[in-house]
Amino acid sequence: SQTIHQWPATLVQPVGSPLSLECTVEGTSNPNLYWYRQAAGRGLQLLFYSVGIGQISSEVPQNLSASRPQDRQFILSSKKLLLSDSGFYLCAWRWEIGELQYFGPGTRLTVL
Amino acid sequence: ELKVEQNPLFLSMQEGKNYTIYCNYSTTSDRLYWYRQDPGKSLESLFVLLSNGAVKQEGRLMASLDTKARLSTLHITAAVHDLSATYFCAVDRFRRAQKLVFGQGTRLTINP
Repeated sequence: SQTIHQWPATLVQPVGSPLSLECTVEGTSNPNLYWYRQAAGRGLQLLFYSVGIGQISSEVPQNLSASRPQDRQFILSSKKLLLSDSGFYLCAWRWEIGELQYFGPGTRLTVL
Repeated sequence: ELKVEQNPLFLSMQEGKNYTIYCNYSTTSDRLYWYRQDPGKSLESLFVLLSNGAVKQEGRLMASLDTKARLSTLHITAAVHDLSATYFCAVDRFRRAQKLVFGQGTRLTINP
C-alpha cells in the first residue's frame, strides 16, 4: 500500500530564516507530486506540482521554491521566510493517470 | 481564471436534519472532488465526480454534479455528530496535471 510522509509536523521559525519541508511517498513509482498551502480558515492553494524528477511547475509567484531530487521525494524551501508564509502545508500525490490526489498529514508552519 | 465558491461557509445544524452544501465554479470542467477535513488534520477524499449527472453516495452523504450549471451539491441526510468537519469542493483546472482549485470550505457543526 502507499504511504505519504511529511516532516516536520510543526515548525516555528523567525522571519528571515530558511525553510526546508520534506515529503516522501512510499509504495509507488513516478507519482505526480503537489505542494499546497492552507492559510488559517481558508481553502487550499496549489503552490507547486511535479510530474517527474527535476520537473517543477510553480503556480503562484512567491518566495518559496520546490525541488524533486528523487522520484518519491518532494522538498519545499525558502531562503528567507516572511510572516505571510505561515500556514498549513500539505503535500499530495497521485498515480500518473489516476483520478484521486492523496494528501499527507501536513506541516504547520508559524513564522514569528 | 477558474473560481470555485461554496455556500454556506458556516453551517450549524441539529442531528437528524437534512441539508445541502453548494459548490459553484466559473469555467468548464467535468471533474469535481469533495474532501473532508477534521480540525488540525489533513484532507480525506470523499467523492470524485467525473461526468455530467454523476451521483455518488456514501452513508449519509450524497454528491452530484451538473456540469451545464457548473454546480455540485453535497447532501447530508439525517445528520449525525460525527459528520462535523469542514468540507471542501475542488475543481480540476488542467486535467493532465490535475491542478485543483479549491473552494473556501464549509464548516459544518452538528449539534446533538
